[in-house]
Amino acid sequence: QQQVKQSPQSLIVQKGGISIINCAYENTAFDYFPWYQQFPGKGPALLIAIRPDVSEKKEGRFTISFNKSAKQFSLHIMDSQPGDSATYFCAASKAAGNKLTFGGGTRVLVKP
Amino acid sequence: NAGVMQNPRHLVRRRGQEARLRCSPMKGHSHVYWYRQLPEEGLKFMVYLQKENIIDESGMPKERFSAEFPKEGPSILRIQQVVRGDSAAYFCASSPLSGGLLNEQYFGPGTRLTVT
Repeated sequence: QQQVKQSPQSLIVQKGGISIINCAYENTAFDYFPWYQQFPGKGPALLIAIRPDVSEKKEGRFTISFNKSAKQFSLHIMDSQPGDSATYFCAASKAAGNKLTFGGGTRVLVKP
Repeated sequence: NAGVMQNPRHLVRRRGQEARLRCSPMKGHSHVYWYRQLPEEGLKFMVYLQKENIIDESGMPKERFSAEFPKEGPSILRIQQVVRGDSAAYFCASSPLSGGLLNEQYFGPGTRLTVT
């Protein structure tokens, strides 16, 4: 009930391309879905987040798409740059519970 | 506004020793979360604390691990009698709100514990 499944595990994209990472959850009580970016040796940094009352949220080159009926959400990185090379984690939580349940992570490599 | 501070950044302990990890939340944040990240894995929730209270410790191992967040000073994650399987990166996150519409958690740089 608490799992968040993330795919793919790794992704290679050319500079300027689109990176797409997908997550699926089981617990319908989840109502907050953030994405974090982590560089080697660093802590995760909050990138963008969405609540289930909207189907899409865009911030710069990063877009979250949310499908409540399918219990899936995805991160799109448009015009991918070498500096975007990092590990990306999706997560989910209940507002009342607060603890984040993380996906397994996707290692993105953007080739110049 | 300084971010979440954690120290030490790296900690080496021999099997059987104690490890004490410290976390100072962002200014104005009174909610602290600890997560553990094993090599090549995602982050796993351990414990959620407010000042002087443990709110949720459902992710904490039943033995050897404890956490506190005193009225004054940083939050402490304590691991007694460490074993090699405790080797991991331990991250602290802080949040200004609880039970609200947003649950933005901001992470520190982590403490990388190595047990030899």
